[in-house]
Amino acid sequence: DVKVTQSSRYLVKRTGEKVFLECVQDMDHENMFWYRQDPGLGLRLIYFSYDVKMKEKGDIPEGYSVSREKKERFSLILESASTNQTSMYLCASSTRDTEAFFGQGTRLTVV
Amino acid sequence: ELKVEQNPLFLSMQEEKNYTIYCNYSTTSDRLYWYRQDPGKSLESLFVLLSNGAVKQEGRLMASLDTKARLSTLHITAAVHDLSATYFCAVESNFGNEKLTFGTGTRLTIIP
Repeated sequence: DVKVTQSSRYLVKRTGEKVFLECVQDMDHENMFWYRQDPGLGLRLIYFSYDVKMKEKGDIPEGYSVSREKKERFSLILESASTNQTSMYLCASSTRDTEAFFGQGTRLTVV
Repeated sequence: ELKVEQNPLFLSMQEEKNYTIYCNYSTTSDRLYWYRQDPGKSLESLFVLLSNGAVKQEGRLMASLDTKARLSTLHITAAVHDLSATYFCAVESNFGNEKLTFGTGTRLTIIP
């Protein structure tokens, strides 16, 4: 079974803090994604990566950056957390021949 | 820019009734996915539809894809309570990368 693991289920951070969300997949997938999910807005793509050290902006990249130094790990970075970044963050991975598999999600609250 | 619209956004239905959720998308694609999400949980893959006319069935759920109409449907037959969840469709663009664009979801509540 594909496993996508996010480092935290719940996080509470203060405004202005630098926040790291980590995601690891164990199926050698080329593609990895970070989405945020907000009520009434569905899932919105923040960044994705189709190879090590490669990244592309999604629909809402502002205020975020990413890092993919190893194929299995994709990190989302909030450089200076703000309250409007309070959300559920979902990581996913896929290949050309599979659907995307999702992690369990990280519920981030910025106070 | 690819846009994906689902309707309805909310659906309450009685057990044993049938209903359909619709997913329309705006640009050419022949890859469409349906996911289920339970409250507080992540997304679980239900169906992968990879060509025009594709039909997949699992239990009381059946999904189909019409790429010419840019439409997918998720049909629920004789609903039961444990189908209560939020259902998302997601479309993969035909152009270049494999990123998914999601619909806003349909929150389905089955009433006994």
